[in-house]
Amino acid sequence: EAGVAQSPRYKIIEKRQSVAFWCNPISGHATLYWYQQILGQGPKLLIQFQNNGVVDDSQLPKDRFSAERLKGVDSTLKIQPAKLEDSAVYLCASSSLGADNTGELFFGEGSRLTVL
Amino acid sequence: RKEVEQDPGPFNVPEGATVAFNCTYSNSASQSFFWYRQDCRKEPKLLMSVYSSGNEDGRFTAQLNRASQYISLLIRDSKLSDSATYLCVVNRYYQLIWGAGTKLIIKP
Repeated sequence: EAGVAQSPRYKIIEKRQSVAFWCNPISGHATLYWYQQILGQGPKLLIQFQNNGVVDDSQLPKDRFSAERLKGVDSTLKIQPAKLEDSAVYLCASSSLGADNTGELFFGEGSRLTVL
Repeated sequence: RKEVEQDPGPFNVPEGATVAFNCTYSNSASQSFFWYRQDCRKEPKLLMSVYSSGNEDGRFTAQLNRASQYISLLIRDSKLSDSATYLCVVNRYYQLIWGAGTKLIIKP
């Protein structure tokens, strides 16, 4: 079974530029998460989708971050404009259970962003 | 105060030793609990869920203490390959709250 796919693996941009990350979850997984993980910290949830609907985006900085999952399958996360403090690993995860019954999350390898 | 707290470590432990670390949570409404393992520069992976009665998986034992609001992870006969960061995750009102992790280093 294919795992969660993410791209790009690495991205270096200058502040005020934009960047987009892509995620393809495990086939059939209804729930998709985007996390931000800064070095030395635990993952911080940015947004959670159930199929193509948003379940939780309370910690998403909406002035610069946006995410979509239009067909309920793959998803993109965009940052525009980027700030230095956005340097982090962006992890996508998926789960087969519904948003109200969290089970095991399967993570992609992450997209490492460096903002100069 | 963070909702989920872990000792960041690092815990430096000789191979073969037993090591234990705790994770405290502040919200008594927390419903379920998990330990994830994250190797250096890799993604987190589920190690084990934590059940009310405690549970064991090989050399790993997880315990839940609802009265004192903490969960624990015990690793017996530690191996070099156990070196990783162990993340505590708490499900509270269907939201997953992640601890910052405890770094474990097993030395030969």
